[in-house]
Formats: sequence, C-alpha cells, structure tokens
Amino acid sequence: QKEVEQDPGPLSVPEGAIVSLNCTYSNSAFQYFMWYRQYSRKGPELLMYTYSSGNKEDGRFTAQVDKSSKYISLFIRDSQPSDSATYLCAMSRDNYGQNFVFGPGTRLSVLP
Amino acid sequence: DAGVIQSPRHEVTEMGQEVTLRCKPISGHDYLFWYRQTMMRGLELLIYFNNNVPIDDSGMPEDRFSAKMPNASFSTLKIQPSEPRDSAVYFCASSLRQGAGEKLFFGSGTQLSVL
Repeated sequence: QKEVEQDPGPLSVPEGAIVSLNCTYSNSAFQYFMWYRQYSRKGPELLMYTYSSGNKEDGRFTAQVDKSSKYISLFIRDSQPSDSATYLCAMSRDNYGQNFVFGPGTRLSVLP
Repeated sequence: DAGVIQSPRHEVTEMGQEVTLRCKPISGHDYLFWYRQTMMRGLELLIYFNNNVPIDDSGMPEDRFSAKMPNASFSTLKIQPSEPRDSAVYFCASSLRQGAGEKLFFGSGTQLSVL
C-alpha cells in the first residue's frame, strides 16, 4: 500500500460544479497537510495548508482534514475552466525540512 | 523577479552520458530543493540546500546523482552515467524558509529523456 493515495482521475465536471478531491494516507504521524495545483508543463504551486484536523477556507477552496479517518479533502466551489489542472495532496510528520510525501495527483478538467 | 529558472527545458540523451541540470533560485531565498516527478513514483524530494549547504540528500537515488550549490544563485544536479530509468521531469524549487506551510516556488522543470 502506498503511503498516500489519490484517485488519478481524470475527473471531468461542468463549469460551476462543486468539485471534491480526496486523499487517503496510512501514516498516522502526519500532521501537516497541503494541496498543490499543477498546470500542464509547470511546477506545482501551493494552494492550501492545514495543520492537524479541521477545515480551512480560502475563497472558492476549502480544505478538510479528518485525522481519525486518515482522509483529507479539497473542495472547489463554482469551478472554472481555469481550475483545470492536476491537484496533488502532500503531507509531512513535522514542520522541519520539506520532505513531504506527495500523492500521485488527480487530473481535473472543468468544461465550459 | 523572474521566478525560479531551470535549464534546459528538455534534454534527450543516450544511456551512459552525463547530464547536468541547472537552476537559478529566486533571489533572497535561502532554501533550494531538487524534486523528481514520474508517473510511477509521483513527486519525490531528492535533496535540499540551506544557504548553499546540502542539508538532506537522503532522496538521492544512488551515487550516480550529485548536486552542488556553489553560490546562492546557482545549483546543478548531475547524473553520471545516465540510465533510461532516470527519465523524468526534474524540478528545482526555492523558498524563503522551510516548513510545511512555507510556499515553495517551483521552476518549470526539465524534461529528461534517457534513451
């Protein structure tokens, strides 16, 4: 079993839909959780960062962490074609260093 | 600032050849990271530097890989000799500080194909 799992997609939704992207993980020591967005032929960019369990909202994006279930989610409201990208979850045990474990990514297409 | 600059964008080489990837981080960033991305293994950290000093190279796959940072504005990742399984996209990234919430600024990557 991989340490972090993500449905690779592709996930296709119509413009304006609510998108739910998810990751599961096996290491209960993970405390820091991130979502990165990666456009085609570009490097990833940090979207959201949360520590421990709970929700965090930033504009159209909401990140949820459920440590008891080892499950994290990213919700995108009112999705736009510009949201079409690959979304990578990442997590780490500590806040030292940058040795995150990345999920394989979910490819999202938002159709106009 | 132009962001993190990587060169070349694409590299095609034959097995056994030496490959050198280059990176110019964002000015003022104290941390520099080299990542590798493949379909099979996803995004993996190879090595990172703080103030030009290598801090953690535990992700470097084997002795064929080496990385240097001779000054604050330049780093190289070298593979010698290259093998087909090294084919991947190699990203360089920099940040002001380290930590899970610190924003990593990635370059556009070098697509390496080893034939």
